[in-house]
Amino acid sequence: EVQLVESGGGLVQPGGSLRLSCAASGFPFGDYAMAWVRQAPGRGLEWVSDIFGRGSTTYFADSVKGRFTISRDNSKDTVDLLMNSLRADDTAVYYCVKRPGFASGSYFDFWGQGTPVTVSP
Amino acid sequence: QTVVTQESSFSVAPGGTVTLTCGLSSGSVSKSSFPSWYQQTPGQAPRTLIWSTSIRSSGVPDRFSGSILGNRAALTITGAQAHDEADYFCVLYLGPGIWVFGGGTKLTVL
Repeated sequence: EVQLVESGGGLVQPGGSLRLSCAASGFPFGDYAMAWVRQAPGRGLEWVSDIFGRGSTTYFADSVKGRFTISRDNSKDTVDLLMNSLRADDTAVYYCVKRPGFASGSYFDFWGQGTPVTVSP
Repeated sequence: QTVVTQESSFSVAPGGTVTLTCGLSSGSVSKSSFPSWYQQTPGQAPRTLIWSTSIRSSGVPDRFSGSILGNRAALTITGAQAHDEADYFCVLYLGPGIWVFGGGTKLTVL
């Protein structure tokens, strides 16, 4: 059974940093790309970042480019999202999502339960 | 900036059929946009329903179907049930590193 468990969310001041982590199980982690998708309170979903199975290729939404970094450790089956220079509009629930293949592919396959991030003074 | 458009809300009677759509602010949605659909109930993570226009994810009942209607992607729910009441989001793949969600449709079953 595929499981994705996010951690690391919390309250952070504007301009601060936070590292989210996602622990995966139930599938050969290194064979699949992973993504982060966020949802601001009462709002829709927004794709944030992707990383290919070996970590060789990463993508970022324009809204986070230059501020967020994505990485993975295939020996520990984890994927991290390091968020710097956080702003109020980064406040959201952040979902870790499994992709359907080694590269990102066209859709989001399986979703974790999410971890909330609040950026506020 | 490309915007993916969805109806903000829709209502359907129990047992009825409803079609939700997903379009582009400029241009047409086609199979090459690989539209996918997700269902989200309050307080829960999204669940993948449909990918690559019309392929149902594992465990999704065949009451849910996807298609292209004109210049939009479509999600059709037949025989709507009370537990289908949820938010429905589409995603379009617009190129390497570009996945854009629609704003979502709130479906009410009553």
